[in-house]
Amino acid sequence: GQNIDQPTEMTATEGAIVQINCTYQTSGFNGLFWYQQHAGEAPTFLSYNVLDGLEEKGRFSSFLSRSKGYSYLLLKELQMKDSASYLCAVSYNTNAGKSTFGDGTTLTVKP
Amino acid sequence: DARVTQTPRHKVTEMGQEVTMRCQPILGHNTVFWYRQTMMQGLELLAYFRNRAPLDDSGMPKDRFSAEMPDATLATLKIQPSEPRDSAVYFCASGFSGDQPQHFGDGTRLSIL
Repeated sequence: GQNIDQPTEMTATEGAIVQINCTYQTSGFNGLFWYQQHAGEAPTFLSYNVLDGLEEKGRFSSFLSRSKGYSYLLLKELQMKDSASYLCAVSYNTNAGKSTFGDGTTLTVKP
Repeated sequence: DARVTQTPRHKVTEMGQEVTMRCQPILGHNTVFWYRQTMMQGLELLAYFRNRAPLDDSGMPKDRFSAEMPDATLATLKIQPSEPRDSAVYFCASGFSGDQPQHFGDGTRLSIL
């Protein structure tokens, strides 16, 4: 299988930093996406990693280690509006262009 | 900004009825995905099209579900007959082939009574 594991829930404080981890099976790995989904809304694209290392985009950064089958999404200077579900999605070269989604991590930001 | 458009946004119907959900992908995108999302199962891929050809519908119950792309501007997902366990949010997404992000529509919230 191509299990993708992420924590179910996380809680953090406004202004803090939070790291959301994602692990996946490495065989046939192409790239990894992070999406944000607010309650009652559609997922929206945040980041894409294909090479090892950290990709920074404003308050959000995403890290990838291909050899370890590990990624994390780092959210800095948390704001209340960051409360959402964060979905890790992996594309494999056997999957003809589709992505396999994790179950998502529900982040609650508290004042 | 270009958007994926889904209709209807909400649908409530009785079990046994046919349900048709429609999706207009972003112009120029050549891949279309249908997903179902529930609290218990997360985001499940039901069907996937590239250049209007079905590539993968292994996640779709074949006895009652069908997905088609009659033209490049329209994708449909039909359930016949519908059952209460089909109640979920159904998302359509489109994108370019290869490792490209998917753009999701706002979803159809389906309730089968």
